[in-house]
Amino acid sequence: GENVEQHPSTLSVQEGDSAVIKCTYSDSASNYFPWYKQELGKGPQLIIDIRSNVGEKKDQRIAVTLNKTAKHFSLHITETQPEDSAVYFCAASKWPNDYKLSFGAGTTVTVRA
Amino acid sequence: DTAVSQTPKYLVTQMGNDKSIKCEQNLGHDTMYWYKQDSKKFLKIMFSYNNKELIINETVPNRFSPKSPDKAHLNLHINSLELGDSAVYFCASTTGYEQFFGPGTRLTVL
Repeated sequence: GENVEQHPSTLSVQEGDSAVIKCTYSDSASNYFPWYKQELGKGPQLIIDIRSNVGEKKDQRIAVTLNKTAKHFSLHITETQPEDSAVYFCAASKWPNDYKLSFGAGTTVTVRA
Repeated sequence: DTAVSQTPKYLVTQMGNDKSIKCEQNLGHDTMYWYKQDSKKFLKIMFSYNNKELIINETVPNRFSPKSPDKAHLNLHINSLELGDSAVYFCASTTGYEQFFGPGTRLTVL
């Protein structure tokens, strides 16, 4: 099955700096790569996703890049703000051939004011 | 309007008891999931239903039994609760790609 590895497990950044989280996946058939943000006491929420036919996607201060050859993808958050503090999860799936979403272990991001 | 709701939010019970967690989604999605999140935040898929049919059944003890009475509901019944069952359980639903998660049920087994 799919194995998603995520690094780092914790990340502390100064407000205004950038944060980068990296993930690798094992199954070359995976074609959908979402990123979820989980705030304290809440369920994960999708913040951005990318499909295998796209190399980069940006939405305001967040961006995701995908390197299919190397089987890795990354989340970039620019101009970090205190409200960016949360746990971030990367994931991979082979939708619609497989309904399963395989998650990375999560990165706890702390933005220092 | 809550998209994916779970009840109860907190559940504290003794070892050996049987308990149920309920999930409802009002998004009209066909596919629903149960996840377990342990103390290290790892999200592990347990089950998935598509149109009331079980499609994913991960390596989960037989003490856990999901039931989907209709497309909008997916319940989780746990028999003979053990200490290791303590975790946060999340329900999620999707029509494809994005999964919408519920607020979670924190289960504590004493």
